[in-house]
Amino acid sequence: NAGVTQTPKFRVLKTGQSMTLLCAQDMNHEYMYWYRQDPGMGLRLIHYSVGEGTTAKGEVPDGYNVSRLKKQNFLLGLESAAPSQTSVYFCASSYGTSGGGNEQFFGPGTRLTVL
Amino acid sequence: AQSVTQPDIHITVSEGASLELRCNYSYGATPYLFWYVQSPGQGLQLLLKYFSGDTLVQGIKGFEAEFKRSQSSFNLRKPSVHWSDAAEYFCAVGSGADGLTFGKGTHLIIQP
Repeated sequence: NAGVTQTPKFRVLKTGQSMTLLCAQDMNHEYMYWYRQDPGMGLRLIHYSVGEGTTAKGEVPDGYNVSRLKKQNFLLGLESAAPSQTSVYFCASSYGTSGGGNEQFFGPGTRLTVL
Repeated sequence: AQSVTQPDIHITVSEGASLELRCNYSYGATPYLFWYVQSPGQGLQLLLKYFSGDTLVQGIKGFEAEFKRSQSSFNLRKPSVHWSDAAEYFCAVGSGADGLTFGKGTHLIIQP
């Protein structure tokens, strides 16, 4: 049981390049999330998904797109990278409960640098 | 809109001393509250959570937190810290599906 895994662990891009970050979970979770972490800012939600085929915007969605074609995978795309997108990206997943209060399980993170 | 405030950016504690990390939240309904810990270069690990019931919550690694609705607080405590507790600590609030709102974190330094 690997939990939540993220690929790649590190990446350096030039301004304007594109890339996709992959998140995979093997816990059969319904909900998945992408956050970014910047120094002194905590974690901020980029996009999330409440099930296969669904996506929704979070607090800081601009410049990112996501897809959830399979329940176990959640992809985060940068179409044209900018230096402001230099950050550590975390994926998380949760069971999703009707009563709320989702405990989220986090991946190890992807450190992205945009030059 | 929901928000979380962690007033202390850095805290330094001597090994063996007690610890309290502060967290205040703003939320329109019954809050679901979490404390996560992040070691350098690592992901986030859940320490404890409050959903309902007993307002004193026990977590892993000897941590506990107390929910005080009247003060909108969810402070994290440990009676005796160990050098391995040095890390970044995040308080978070949320419910339903739409993600968690995190505080900006408190960096804990342990002095020998």
